Amino acid sequence: DGGITQSPKYLFRKEGQNVTLSCEQNLNHDAMYWYRQDPGQGLRLIYYSQIVNDFQKGDIAEGYSVSREKKESFPLTVTSAQKNPTAFYLCASSLKTSGRASLSTDTQYFGPGTRLTVL
Amino acid sequence: AQKITQTQPGMFVQEKEAVTLDCTYDTSDQSYGLFWYKQPSSGEMIFLIYQGSYDEQNATEGRYSLNFQKARKSANLVISASQLGDSAMYFCAMRELPTGTASKLTFGTGTRLQVTL
Repeated sequence: DGGITQSPKYLFRKEGQNVTLSCEQNLNHDAMYWYRQDPGQGLRLIYYSQIVNDFQKGDIAEGYSVSREKKESFPLTVTSAQKNPTAFYLCASSLKTSGRASLSTDTQYFGPGTRLTVL
Repeated sequence: AQKITQTQPGMFVQEKEAVTLDCTYDTSDQSYGLFWYKQPSSGEMIFLIYQGSYDEQNATEGRYSLNFQKARKSANLVISASQLGDSAMYFCAMRELPTGTASKLTFGTGTRLQVTL
């Protein structure tokens, strides 16, 4: 089945540690995204990538890093510089957009999420 | 800057009744897309329905329909014949005008829907 997988489902981190969240997709999508969700809030964009070896900062990139070495994979590292990392992290992917709004190219499909807790 | 506003933090609806979840947006773009996603307690985000700014007809998808009023900048989600499984958070989102080939979405703060017997 095509889809997006994230691992682990739950992650616990001690203060000062870096942790990496995995995101893999087999939808052959070009673009991938990382979002953070805090309780009772909407989603905020951390980083996104349009193609392999390319990525851009979103609205809240400080304290996070990403890589895109393969089309299928977009791991997110939460560094010790992120002061309040406890949150729910969602990965998404979409086709390459042409510019004009379109259901097929603009719809983002999400993974099941990783819940990160700092101890 | 684009903005999505969902003014209903929580809604209750009886099973088999219809419910409308409100969403207003603010944009200066001419070409934009509006989305509704459902987030059950498990956390995954499930795509429900899409409306393009140039679409002449309101989008429908099974029991979901989108009441799109472009002049008022509103894109309300209507769920007909509510079911217990509809209990979840619902997010309205809008696609920003892309600077590249990625489709960035701006999300509202969500509405928690509770379906009762």
